[in-house]
Amino acid sequence: QQQVKQSPQSLIVQKGGISIINCAYENTAFDYFPWYQQFPGKGPALLIAIRPDVSEKKEGRFTISFNKSAKQFSLHIMDSQPGDSATYFCAASLSNAGGTSYGKLTFGQGTILTVHP
Amino acid sequence: DTAVSQTPKYLVTQMGNDKSIKCEQNLGHDTMYWYKQDSKKFLKIMFSYNNKELIINETVPNRFSPKSPDKAHLNLHINSLELGDSAVYFCASSQEGHWLASTDTQYFGPGTRLTVL
Repeated sequence: QQQVKQSPQSLIVQKGGISIINCAYENTAFDYFPWYQQFPGKGPALLIAIRPDVSEKKEGRFTISFNKSAKQFSLHIMDSQPGDSATYFCAASLSNAGGTSYGKLTFGQGTILTVHP
Repeated sequence: DTAVSQTPKYLVTQMGNDKSIKCEQNLGHDTMYWYKQDSKKFLKIMFSYNNKELIINETVPNRFSPKSPDKAHLNLHINSLELGDSAVYFCASSQEGHWLASTDTQYFGPGTRLTVL
């Protein structure tokens, strides 16, 4: 299976709060997990990514937590700001797939985050 | 200094017509992709090319034909357009050599919103 399931579909947070978006995957061979951020009318842009050899990666206010045994990973946005309002996508891929899976990102369904001032 | 550009940004056409979307990247990347984002914002890969060679060809109707004249360009031609083809189409690129680890960031273009009437 190549599915990546993302929740919630939408999330409303007050400014300064913590936003948490969760993803679960089925293919245990996945070994690269990026998060992309998409603003309205724009293309997705890489926000942060993690490999399964670490359980957490932090970049500024954004943290990925990874649970390999549960096949889950999540994005935490600390001190959420109105400028963080966007659609967030988790994704997964096989880093050394080669062949027809080469470079193939499987995306979650997306989470629309709204941060109220 | 646009990294990945697409033309046109908007495309409105009648059912049954043939249309093309052009994509160019000036990042010197080896791999380019086409994604489809439906009305629910779900992103799904359609094709990828590495150095003008087709690598990924998902289950896409053969009315869709990608063409890569050189590694900086990947165009998408769609024949006999159908209502269900209405979506936003994103081009992306990444710096990946053939058979190398596919964890490089994918850079997305601004998208082309296709509306089939």
